[in-house]
Amino acid sequence: DQQVKQNSPSLSVQEGRISILNCDYTNSMFDYFLWYKKYPAEGPTFLISISSIKDKNEDGRFTVFLNKSAKHLSLHIVPSQPGDSAVYFCAVQGGSEKLVFGKGTKLTVNP
Amino acid sequence: NAGVTQTPKFQVLKTGQSMTLQCAQDMNHEYMSWYRQDPGMGLRLIHYSVGAGITDQGEVPNGYNVSRSTTEDFPLRLLSAAPSQTSVYFCASSRFGEKLFFGSGTQLSVL
Repeated sequence: DQQVKQNSPSLSVQEGRISILNCDYTNSMFDYFLWYKKYPAEGPTFLISISSIKDKNEDGRFTVFLNKSAKHLSLHIVPSQPGDSAVYFCAVQGGSEKLVFGKGTKLTVNP
Repeated sequence: NAGVTQTPKFQVLKTGQSMTLQCAQDMNHEYMSWYRQDPGMGLRLIHYSVGAGITDQGEVPNGYNVSRSTTEDFPLRLLSAAPSQTSVYFCASSRFGEKLFFGSGTQLSVL
C-alpha cells in the first residue's frame, strides 16, 4: 500500500499565479517531510523540507505547510515561473535514513 | 566538486545478461542508496547502506545485489537482467539527518 500519495499526476498554472502541490501520507510516525524537484534527464534535487514540530517552512517563493492531524503536506510556489516547470516529488522519513517518495506531480507553468 | 557520479549514463542489455551500475560520491557521506524511477511509479528504493560493510534491502530489492566496501562507492549489480528492470536508476547519498544528493541517473533498457 502506498505510504505517500500525490494524487495529482499533473498541474498546469499561469506564470505569476500560485502553484499548490499536495501530498498525503499514511503513517503518523513519519517526522520529516521533504520536497524534491526533478528536471528531465537530471537527478532529483532537494527543494525544501519541514520537520514534524513545525507547521510551516518558507524559503523564498517556496512554502511547505504540514497538517499532522490530516497527514497532509502541501508545497506552495508563488509567484510561479516557467523555470519551475518540473516534476515535484514529496518524500517522507521516519526513524531511519530511508526516504519514501510519492509518485510525483508534473508542474507546467505557462508563460 | 563532483558530488554523486553515476556510470554509465545509458545501457542496453539483453535478457539474462549481468552488469554493474557504478556510483561514487566524494562528500564522505555515510548513507548511500539506489532508487529506480518508472513512469507513474515515482522513486522506489532498491537497496541502501548506512556505512562501509553494511547494506540492507529497500522496497524493490529482487534481482539486484549491492556491496559497500568503501565509503565512496556503492555499485548496483543486476544478476540476470529482465525486461521488467528497464528503468532509470538513481544513486543518492547523504550525511545522516541531512538531505539526499542524487546522481544524474542511468537509463537502462533490457531487451
